[in-house]
Amino acid sequence: DAEITQSPRHKITETGRQVTLACHQTWNHNNMFWYRQDLGHGLRLIHYSYGVQDTNKGEVSDGYSVSRSNTEDLPLTLESAASSQTSVYFCASSWDREGGTGELFFGEGSRLTVL
Amino acid sequence: KQEVTQIPAALSVPEGENLVLNCSFTDSAIYNLQWFRQDPGKGLTSLLLIQSSQREQTSGRLNASLDKSSGRSTLYIAASQPGDSATYLCAVTVYGNKLVFGAGTILRVKS
Repeated sequence: DAEITQSPRHKITETGRQVTLACHQTWNHNNMFWYRQDLGHGLRLIHYSYGVQDTNKGEVSDGYSVSRSNTEDLPLTLESAASSQTSVYFCASSWDREGGTGELFFGEGSRLTVL
Repeated sequence: KQEVTQIPAALSVPEGENLVLNCSFTDSAIYNLQWFRQDPGKGLTSLLLIQSSQREQTSGRLNASLDKSSGRSTLYIAASQPGDSATYLCAVTVYGNKLVFGAGTILRVKS
């Protein structure tokens, strides 16, 4: 079955270190998204991509970067981790670009703790 | 800027009750609205998707309605069961196929 997987599922790191969270989907979806989820804030969009070599900033993109070198993967990099980036991170993918008719599929999440 | 609000933030009901979860959004320019379920430590699972041209969608004991002009949606759960206990989130799709989420309603169904 097609799926979307995230790794690692849990990560503890120190302030200032670079961290990369992986996201891999096998649906061949062109759209991929990274969200963070924090208590009281719901899910907030960090970065998104509509296809290979395409990346866009979401509402909370500061301190994060993504790259899209193939259809299946959208890794999220924290250049210099900060305690404010302690959160649960979700990757998602969908098929449609315009019209918003596509259903969004989520990974299981990556819990990041920055000490 | 689109904002999505969910009321109540938490709800506890006895098994068998029918219940309604509410979602409101500030900008009616949406493509669709989705309701998701999230279990503790898990990702989100899509329950229902209502296109902007539709008024409601049904799946089993779940019924979601959409009133785009007033910026409201409701998720109706009939004959609730302990297995329905989870966090329910609504999200609207705006231009660029981006979703804006509410903070969620934590539902507990007591047996």
